Parts: sequence; structure tokens; C-alpha cells
Amino acid sequence: EAGVTQFPSHSVIEKGQTVTLRCDPISGHDNLYWYRRVMGKEIKFLLHFVKESKQDESGMPNNRFLAERTGGTYSTLKVQPAELEDSGVYFCASSSHRGNTEAFFGQGTRLTVV
Amino acid sequence: GDSVTQMEGPVTLSEEAFLTINCTYTATGYPSLFWYVQYPGEGLQLLLKATKADDKGSNKGFEATYRKETTSFHLEKGSVQVSDSAVYFCAIRDDKIIFGKGTRLHILP
Repeated sequence: EAGVTQFPSHSVIEKGQTVTLRCDPISGHDNLYWYRRVMGKEIKFLLHFVKESKQDESGMPNNRFLAERTGGTYSTLKVQPAELEDSGVYFCASSSHRGNTEAFFGQGTRLTVV
Repeated sequence: GDSVTQMEGPVTLSEEAFLTINCTYTATGYPSLFWYVQYPGEGLQLLLKATKADDKGSNKGFEATYRKETTSFHLEKGSVQVSDSAVYFCAIRDDKIIFGKGTRLHILP
């Protein structure tokens, strides 16, 4: 069974440009989470989808970030326009249930804004 | 809100040394506790977990016990190897996962 897959693995863009990150969760997992780790700091929660619905987007830093999960399968996270402080590693995770069951993480996308 | 505090790194040890990485948490509910590891160039991997008080999670020689009375989940290994060099994250989950800041571990041969 394939794990959580994220594309691209690395992205370097200029300030002001747009970047779209993609996450393919484990097949059948209704719960999908986005996290971000800015250099040297903790991994912070961004948002949580249950199927195609946003269950909790309290961690989204501002309106330059837009997450979608059309059809309840893969998800995209768009940053537009990107700023220098958006640089970091973006992780996606999925789980079959909510609550305290295990969540499986992808490899992460390293975003560098120059 | 819920939070996780783990010891700051980096931690540098010689091979075969004993390892402890401290982790404490605050939570309003009754979370599950996790240790995740990120090896160089790789993604986050679950190392071990515990879902209720006094449970001991173990994997690859690492252990951690869910201590509800002290709200702690310290990671230990009796004899570390060079291949254990990585960043270790303590985490709790009631619904979403909340991570600590991570502890970078460097093992010298």
C-alpha cells in the first residue's frame, strides 16, 4: 500500500510568485492534515480536512494560503503571493479516523522563497 | 491550549551512550502520546506511541512510558548508534497532532 505522497519534494521560488503543493493521502483515509515547520521551530498545524470539508483551519497563517481537497482525495496547498517567511518544510498527514489513532506523514515539501 | 515541551538540542553523544530526551505536555483531554523521528533527507516517521497511562511504547531499542501523573513521555535508549542521528519530535494527539520543537541528536562514532 502506498503511503502519503507529496509533490514536489523541493521548490525554490521568488518572492511574489505562486506555488502549489500537493498531497496524496493513503487511499481511504478521510482525514488529511497539513503542517509546516519553519527553520528550527516546531511543526505547526495548519489545517484539517475530513473528506472534502475543512474541519479546522485555525492554523492557517493568513489569506495568502489556500487549501483545497476537491472530491475528498488529494489536497493542494497554494501560497499566493509567497513571502520570505513562508520558507520551510510543509508536511501532509492522513489518518483513517479522527481522535488519537496514528496519522501517517509524507516526506514533506521543502519550500524556499528567495 | 494543548502544548508539548521537549528538551532543546542539539544533543551530542558517543556511540553506546545512554540517551534520554525529556518531554512534558499539557492537555485538556486524554491524548495519545507519540515520538516521531526525522532522519537526514527523509520525512517524519512514527517511532513509538502510547495511548493510555502507564503504557510503554518501544521500537528499535527506544522506549517511552506514558506518565499521566507527571504529564511526561521521556524517550530513552540504552545504547545509541551512529544511525540514530536524527531529529526527534515528541507529540500529543487528541484530534490534531501537536508537536514539540524537536531535538537534534548527533551520535559520534
